[in-house]
Amino acid sequence: DAGITQSPRHKVTETGTPVTLRCHQTENHRYMYWYRQDPGHGLRLIHYSYGVKDTDKGEVSDGYSVSRSKTEDFLLTLESATSSQTSVYFCAISGDVGHRGYGYTFGSGTRLTVV
Amino acid sequence: AQSVTQLDSQVPVFEEAPVELRCNYSSSVSVYLFWYVQYPNQGLQLLLKYLSGSTLVKGINGFEAEFNKSQTSFHLRKPSVHISDTAEYFCAVSEAKAAGNKLTFGGGTRVLVKP
Repeated sequence: DAGITQSPRHKVTETGTPVTLRCHQTENHRYMYWYRQDPGHGLRLIHYSYGVKDTDKGEVSDGYSVSRSKTEDFLLTLESATSSQTSVYFCAISGDVGHRGYGYTFGSGTRLTVV
Repeated sequence: AQSVTQLDSQVPVFEEAPVELRCNYSSSVSVYLFWYVQYPNQGLQLLLKYLSGSTLVKGINGFEAEFNKSQTSFHLRKPSVHISDTAEYFCAVSEAKAAGNKLTFGGGTRVLVKP
């Protein structure tokens, strides 16, 4: 989507290996989020960030870590990938409520397969 | 913490017929409400949102939703669907004025428009 890109778009990795997914934004938004999408579960929040070096856990954070060293980049790391982490991962960005057009903008997603 | 229930996992509908997708939420505080659409192999796109004011909200592509505080519902409607409306639809809620703008999503409703 315009203003937000995710990389890679697809990845296959082996169980036990570390994996890092990248989210890059050009909107200068304060908030960034990582969600995973699984059938029947909708989207579930993994981690989010409310500023550089300010991050917090979501509802499914076990096995994941994040870092945000610059406003534009939010990295999601699977420390030791497991098959249960096979999923589609979405990054989203958001301005403050008072920001015109408030609401999440989503990236195109990363399809991760752990074998 | 808030939660969202989308009462129908799949909704088949004929082209040019009306459609209603049901969404109920639970929260102990004031909320913001959203509907997103996801076309196959794409990210999520904002259809409409309720932040405050008029309870009838109009969005893109002819969709509208009505916020009913007493019934804690935010149902999505379209009076006449097109084949191109075939997609998955997600209802989401966030706590108004809460830090982080975190969204909680429902499980999604797949709409299949038949000719």
